[in-house]
Amino acid sequence: DAKTTQPNSMESNEEEPVHLPCNHSTISGTDYIHWYRQLPSQGPEYVIHGLTSNVNNRMASLAIAEDRKSSTLILHRATLRDAAVYYCILKKSSGDKLTFGTGTRLAVRP
Amino acid sequence: DSGVTQTPKHLITATGQRVTLRCSPRSGDLSVYWYQQSLDQGLQFLIQYYNGEERAKGNILERFSAQQFPDLHSELNLSSLELGDSALYFCASSTHSGGSYNEQFFGPGTRLTVL
Repeated sequence: DAKTTQPNSMESNEEEPVHLPCNHSTISGTDYIHWYRQLPSQGPEYVIHGLTSNVNNRMASLAIAEDRKSSTLILHRATLRDAAVYYCILKKSSGDKLTFGTGTRLAVRP
Repeated sequence: DSGVTQTPKHLITATGQRVTLRCSPRSGDLSVYWYQQSLDQGLQFLIQYYNGEERAKGNILERFSAQQFPDLHSELNLSSLELGDSALYFCASSTHSGGSYNEQFFGPGTRLTVL
């Protein structure tokens, strides 16, 4: 499985944008980029996914580099509820297995 | 609330014992997944079932087994328990198998403590 690299932790102020980076230099053409997050004392939850083009949904935006070797999850206005561990995952369309790395622990300051 | 239920919430047992964790997927979901989250290994995929059949296997020990029943609920059986099996066990479900988008909905987890 292709590997992802994320910073261990990041901090943000409430109501400010947050950019969470992910490097995946060994990504293959069939890998989709998925983001999940895990709020404290909860199971992971899906955030967003994409292949080549930038994606937006109600939770976040995903910006994918042209060479696909990196991506950035963007939370437009961080809230206290966004404090969580964010996981960047490469998933093949032929399978469902999610391979979680260590993720980025996001702290949001009031 | 993801719609995935897991029982029990907490389980405390002794080494060498056997336990069964139960998962009810979201209504209509055909795929069920089991993951283990421990402090040293992080979140690891164990096994996936799709409509009663095993679909994919991850780092699941031989002492562990799972099955998915005709009503689509799933059970994870852990036997000959060791201290190192203490972890959070998550069940997840999704509507189908494969495809670029097959969002997995995770349950609240079962915390297993082996003493």
